[in-house]
Amino acid sequence: NAGVMQNPRHLVRRRGQEARLRCSPMKGHSHVYWYRQLPEEGLKFMVYLQKENIIDESGMPKERFSAEFPKEGPSILRIQQVVRGDSAAYFCASSPVTSFFYNEQFFGPGTRLTVL
Amino acid sequence: QQQVKQSPQSLIVQKGGISIINCAYENTAFDYFPWYQQFPGKGPALLIAIRPDVSEKKEGRFTISFNKSAKQFSLHIMDSQPGDSATYFCAASKQAGTALIFGKGTTLSVSS
Repeated sequence: NAGVMQNPRHLVRRRGQEARLRCSPMKGHSHVYWYRQLPEEGLKFMVYLQKENIIDESGMPKERFSAEFPKEGPSILRIQQVVRGDSAAYFCASSPVTSFFYNEQFFGPGTRLTVL
Repeated sequence: QQQVKQSPQSLIVQKGGISIINCAYENTAFDYFPWYQQFPGKGPALLIAIRPDVSEKKEGRFTISFNKSAKQFSLHIMDSQPGDSATYFCAASKQAGTALIFGKGTTLSVSS
């Protein structure tokens, strides 16, 4: 399966704990985006990364949230001291960026985070 | 500020009918307009996309119509089938390497 992989698929945390969400892009893709989807809402952009670089984090909350995409291994979205409002589906998308004009982004199955 | 407005919120269509979902955008710098299909518990899947240099793009039963002057675009699903029942999202972005801005989604139900 050459698709975008995310794990875990479901994650339950208590308030104050840390959540780590992992994303492995499609083979050959070196660009990763993270989006958050709240119930009955569209997806909201959080952060765009290339290998070892954060390119755009304009959608990321200033506190408690961080993201990385190391040279080796998956991209990680980290949420510290989770609160109930962090409960959502978090999606990762990857892109080959082979064309300047076509912003094709391919999404993974998502991680459903529930904060108790 | 909602940059991409999508309507209707929900849609019921009979099998064999035409489903039409509309989106309007505000930022004239947008030049890439994709549609995604999402089934419950799954991630969004890229369905079809268009750039503003063409007014229409067709792939199988799915067609995007684009009106640059009105800053509107729409998805038409011809011969709608029960398997098309899903949530559809329009989106817009600038060039590659930028964030997709999504509409709030349309839940389509095709009755048999």
